[in-house]
Order: sequence, then structure tokens, then C-alpha cells
Amino acid sequence: EDKVVQSPLSLVVHEGDTVTLNCSYEVTNFRSLLWYKQEKKAPTFLFMLTSSGIEKKSGRLSSILDKKELFSILNITATQTGDSAVYLCAVVSGNTGKLIFGQGTTLQVKP
Amino acid sequence: KAGVTQTPRYLIKTRGQQVTLSCSPISGHRSVSWYQQTPGQGLQFLFEYFSETQRNKGNFPGRFSGRQFSNSRSEMNVSTLELGDSALYLCASRQGETQYFGPGTRLLVL
Repeated sequence: EDKVVQSPLSLVVHEGDTVTLNCSYEVTNFRSLLWYKQEKKAPTFLFMLTSSGIEKKSGRLSSILDKKELFSILNITATQTGDSAVYLCAVVSGNTGKLIFGQGTTLQVKP
Repeated sequence: KAGVTQTPRYLIKTRGQQVTLSCSPISGHRSVSWYQQTPGQGLQFLFEYFSETQRNKGNFPGRFSGRQFSNSRSEMNVSTLELGDSALYLCASRQGETQYFGPGTRLLVL
């Protein structure tokens, strides 16, 4: 059975800290891995990763995929209170649009 | 471009009723997927439509159905509502492998 597992499930840090969120997967016919940020509304797209070892970066956020070891990490440096959210990892399986989501990591950044 | 839109945003129904939710994808996107999000189960895939055809379906009972129109707008229907159907229903439109989510419809079944 396809599955995506995220860790930790929740995290509390202070502003300025750096955090690393983990996502491991076991999926048949892997095509890509996506990271989303969800606050009190719909998930917003952060990154899509398809190739191993290539870092995607956007401001203080970055992500990398390891297809051999079947995991990805999302790094957030110099965290701010606005980074508080649930971070979701999802894997695209097969040729259709099915996204398999992990449970999410709830990040709380304290002032 | 306008984003994905969903209507209604909130809905309250009682057990046994049926409900229809609507989703308009980003202009030019032909694929629409539906997801159910609950605190216990997280985000779960319901189905995907592309060019008016269902291409994939998740593990949900037959009470959950959908369709897509020629303008790519999609509707999702849930019949004989149960308390456990209370959830946030999210629609996503796809370009390549990236899916962009709408604001969701929050359904409460009493």
C-alpha cells in the first residue's frame, strides 16, 4: 500500500530557529513529490521535486529529494511567526493526478 | 489568472440528505481532483477528472460521485449523508504535476 510518512508530527520553535521537516515515502510508480503549506485554509504550493539531489529554494525555504533513500526534507531558516502552519508532503503516483498525502507537520513558531 | 474557486464555502446538512459541491479550475487547466480533509484521516484523494472523464478514484463508497463539464468545471455529489462526511472538501486543478487547491467547502453534517 502506498504511504507517505512525515516527521515530526508537531514542532514548537522560537523565531530565528532553523527547522527541518522530514517526509519519507513508499509509493509505486513515483513521479514527483510536492510540499504544501496549510494555514487556516487551502494548502498553498511550495515546491515540486522530481530529481534527486537538486535543491529547490525560495527565500528562507528549501527542499531536496533523495530518490534512492525515498525521502525529502523541507528546511526553513530564520523562522518567523508567519511560518506557523501545517506543512504537508504529498507524492504523485502514476500518470493520473492522485496525490498521496502525509499526515502533516504542525509547526508553531513562538515570538 | 484567477485561482481555483469552490462554492459554497460552508454548508450545513442533516443525515440522509444529499449535497452537491462545485469547483471551477484555473483557466486552461483540464484536470480537477477532489480531496476530503478530516482531522483524523488527513487529506484523502476522492477522484480525478480530465476532459470530462474520471481517471482515478480513491477508496470512498459509491455515495461519493462526481462529474466534469466541457468547460472543465467539476461537481462532486454526496448522497445519503452520514455524520462522518463532515469535512473540508478541497478541489485542486492541475498543470503538469503541480496541483493548486481551492479554498474548500466546509461541510457539517448534523
